[in-house]
Amino acid sequence: QQQVKQSPQSLIVQKGGISIINCAYENTAFDYFPWYQQFPGKGPALLIAIRPDVSEKKEGRFTISFNKSAKQFSLHIMDSQPGDSATYFCAASPYSWGKLQFGAGTQVVVTP
Amino acid sequence: DVKVTQSSRYLVKRTGEKVFLECVQDMDHENMFWYRQDPGLGLRLIYFSYDVKMKEKGDIPEGYSVSREKKERFSLILESASTNQTSMYLCASSHLGQEEGAFFGQGTRLTVV
Repeated sequence: QQQVKQSPQSLIVQKGGISIINCAYENTAFDYFPWYQQFPGKGPALLIAIRPDVSEKKEGRFTISFNKSAKQFSLHIMDSQPGDSATYFCAASPYSWGKLQFGAGTQVVVTP
Repeated sequence: DVKVTQSSRYLVKRTGEKVFLECVQDMDHENMFWYRQDPGLGLRLIYFSYDVKMKEKGDIPEGYSVSREKKERFSLILESASTNQTSMYLCASSHLGQEEGAFFGQGTRLTVV
C-alpha cells in the first residue's frame, strides 16, 4: 500500500506552460517532502524539498506548495521547457536523511 | 562532486542464481539504501543501513539480503533470483542530520530469465 499517492500518472504540456503534479500522504510523522527528477537511464536527483512549517518554497521555475491540514503538496513547473521532460517523484520521510516513501511517479513531456 | 556508484548498469541472470549488486559512495555518508523501481509503483525500499554491519528491512525485503562490511559499500544480494525480481535497482546514500537529502546511483537494470 503506497503511503504517498501521486497524480497524474503522465502529463503533456506545451513549452511555456505550467506543469502541476499533486501528492497526498497520511502519515503525520512525515516531516520532509522532497521532489526528485529522473531522466531516462539516470538515477533520481533531488530537485527541491520542503518542510511543513512553510506553505511554499520556490527555486527558479520550480515551486512546492504545501497544505499541512489537507496533507497534500504539489510541484508547479512554471514556463515549462523541453529540457524539463522527465519523470518526477514526490516523496516523504520523517527526516531529510531518512528512508523515503515515494509516490508512483509522473512522466512529464513538454512539447516544443 | 558527490558520487554513488553502482557496479553494473545492466545485468542478465538466470533463475535460481545468486546475484550480487554492489554500491559504493565516496561522501562518507552514514546511511545507505537499496530501492527497487517498477513502472506505476515508484521506488520501494528493500533494505537500509544506518551504520557499518547494521541493516534494517524496508517495505519489500522478501527474497533479498544485504551486507555492509565497510562504511562506503552496501551490497544487495538476491539469494535465488526469480523472474519477478526483474527490475531497476537503485542505491542511495545520505548524511545523518543533513538537509541535503539522499543521493542516488545511476541504477542497475536486472533481468532474470
